[in-house]
Amino acid sequence: EAGVVQSPRYKIIEKKQPVAFWCNPISGHNTLYWYLQNLGQGPELLIRYENEEAVDDSQLPKDRFSAERLKGVDSTLKIQPAELGDSAVYLCASSFRTGEQFFGPGTRLTVL
Amino acid sequence: DAKTTQPPSMDCAEGRAANLPCNHSTISGNEYVYWYRQIHSQGPQYIIHGLKNNETNEMASLIITEDRKSSTLILPHATLRDTAVYYCIVLALYNQGGKLIFGQGTELSVKP
Repeated sequence: EAGVVQSPRYKIIEKKQPVAFWCNPISGHNTLYWYLQNLGQGPELLIRYENEEAVDDSQLPKDRFSAERLKGVDSTLKIQPAELGDSAVYLCASSFRTGEQFFGPGTRLTVL
Repeated sequence: DAKTTQPPSMDCAEGRAANLPCNHSTISGNEYVYWYRQIHSQGPQYIIHGLKNNETNEMASLIITEDRKSSTLILPHATLRDTAVYYCIVLALYNQGGKLIFGQGTELSVKP
């Protein structure tokens, strides 16, 4: 069974540039999460989707971050414009209505 | 804020049992205890969860005290591949699809 797929694995951009991350969850998982992980810290939830609906986006900085999950499958997280402090690992996870979440390998973003 | 307390680091000899403690003194009756781990440069991985009874699976055992204020994750025969950060998380029964609140976790180093 394929796990959660994320791309790219690494991204280096200059500040003020836009960036996008893509996630393909495990087939059949209707819940999708985006987490942010700073160095040395545990992951923090940015947004949670139930099918196409964002049911918890309270931690998403909406001035520069946006996300979408068209058709309730793949999801894209975008930052525009990126700031130096956005350098982190962005993790995607999916689940089937249980506390058992399956995480992808993450995208490591470096903003110069 | 995380509702759990874990030691920041622990060492374990290869082949020996690793016992990772977690305090969750404010846990409520409808909250489960979940354990995840994160190997370097990978996303977190679900290990096990329990409500009040001890649980065992192919990866580990979970021992929850009778008052449910603390628990211990046991890796019966630790290997070098078990070196990771281990997170103890409490999650409400009604919030099974909700966000995981990660604390600092315990960095377990398994040594030859």
